[in-house]
Amino acid sequence: QVQLHQWGAGLLKPSETLSLTCAVYGGSFTGYFWSWIRQPPGKGLEWIGEINHSGSTNYNPSLKSRVTISVDTSKNQFSLKLSSVTAADTAVYYCAREPYDSSGYLYYWGQGTLATVSS
Amino acid sequence: EIVLTQSPGTLSLSPGERATLSCRASQNISSTFLAWYQQKPGQAPRLLIYRTSNRATGIPDRFSGSGSGTDFTLTISKLEPEDFAVYYCQHYVSSPPASYTFGQGTRLEIK
Repeated sequence: QVQLHQWGAGLLKPSETLSLTCAVYGGSFTGYFWSWIRQPPGKGLEWIGEINHSGSTNYNPSLKSRVTISVDTSKNQFSLKLSSVTAADTAVYYCAREPYDSSGYLYYWGQGTLATVSS
Repeated sequence: EIVLTQSPGTLSLSPGERATLSCRASQNISSTFLAWYQQKPGQAPRLLIYRTSNRATGIPDRFSGSGSGTDFTLTISKLEPEDFAVYYCQHYVSSPPASYTFGQGTRLEIK
């Protein structure tokens, strides 16, 4: 059974860099793309980007200039960094995985991590 | 960029009634890459339907999906109390660069 567990700093000041990590338990780490999605309080879902085990990435064009997604295959983990955060980046951030390569939907989700940007 | 527009924004129904949720794409999309999720407060989204009409593992058969081109529908045939939640449609573009797009959601509330 695939499980995703995520963590990271919950309170940031404007202009800081948000940093989150997602650890994968069960199943293979290779052969899939691993995504980050966020959800501002009371609002909808926004896909941030994805990475595979070899480090190939795809990003949401609206966030691309500030986002870096990286992978550590030795630990079965992948990470998100979002730079120059503002209050608009306050959201619950989720990590997720497709059931198979390029399936086009997300089946496994982390528990979510609230990141709050406030001065 | 494909935009997904869901309607209505809020749907008020009673248990036992039928719910019909709409997702309209700004241009024709492949039915292979249209999915639906359910989200309850404080929880991560849960996959309901993939490839327009296929139920995910463990999803009751009162949930069904249909559609093609630009118009897609999620139907809940007979609402149970646990079905009141927010529903999102989602589209995936496979051509490089790959990307996911979500609709803005439909809130299904108890009348």
